[in-house]
Amino acid sequence: EAQVTQNPRYLITVTGKKLTVTCSQNMNHEYMSWYRQDPGLGLRQIYYSMNVEVTDKGDVPEGYKVSRKEKRNFPLILESPSPNQTSLYFCASSLGTGVNQPQHFGDGTRLSIL
Amino acid sequence: GQNIDQPTEMTATEGAIVQINCTYQTSGFNGLFWYQQHAGEAPTFLSYNVLDGLEEKGRFSSFLSRSKGYSYLLLKELQMKDSASYLCAVRFYNTNAGKSTFGDGTTLTVKP
Repeated sequence: EAQVTQNPRYLITVTGKKLTVTCSQNMNHEYMSWYRQDPGLGLRQIYYSMNVEVTDKGDVPEGYKVSRKEKRNFPLILESPSPNQTSLYFCASSLGTGVNQPQHFGDGTRLSIL
Repeated sequence: GQNIDQPTEMTATEGAIVQINCTYQTSGFNGLFWYQQHAGEAPTFLSYNVLDGLEEKGRFSSFLSRSKGYSYLLLKELQMKDSASYLCAVRFYNTNAGKSTFGDGTTLTVKP
């Protein structure tokens, strides 16, 4: 089944403790992206990757890192999480960025930073 | 979302037709997309528009007017399961290829 898989689905942690949220897709998609979703603020793009070893900042990249060493994986790294990074995070992928290539989203990761 | 405006909430009756509007103040995008998001779940793709006009897809249709900076999603024969949030989004091209901007979403409640 074609899917985008995120782990963990839920995480409660403390300020400053490094964490990684993994994202994997099995559709051989070139494009991957991370978003955070907060009440009243919609989906905001954190980082995206057009292909392996190619990553770029979205609208809210501060406090986050990503890497794209393989096509299928696009982990999101919080080196020193803070409470303002408490949010619902979605990973998404698409074949490319063409007009007929919509994004497929993972089920989301709910992070709580205490 | 930045530069994309949608009504926050709408209510409609089962079996009716509802139109969800999206206005934007941005350019340089190659397509406008609509996604559906049920509470606690991931967004799922519904429809996209590249050219001006209406795209029909079963009970769902989407319209785009680039000159007016306006799009809408039309849902016909509403069902209870259509209660969800509907997100309008644009994808950019050229130097901004890869960037996406989403509206804050419109929460639709369908009542019996």
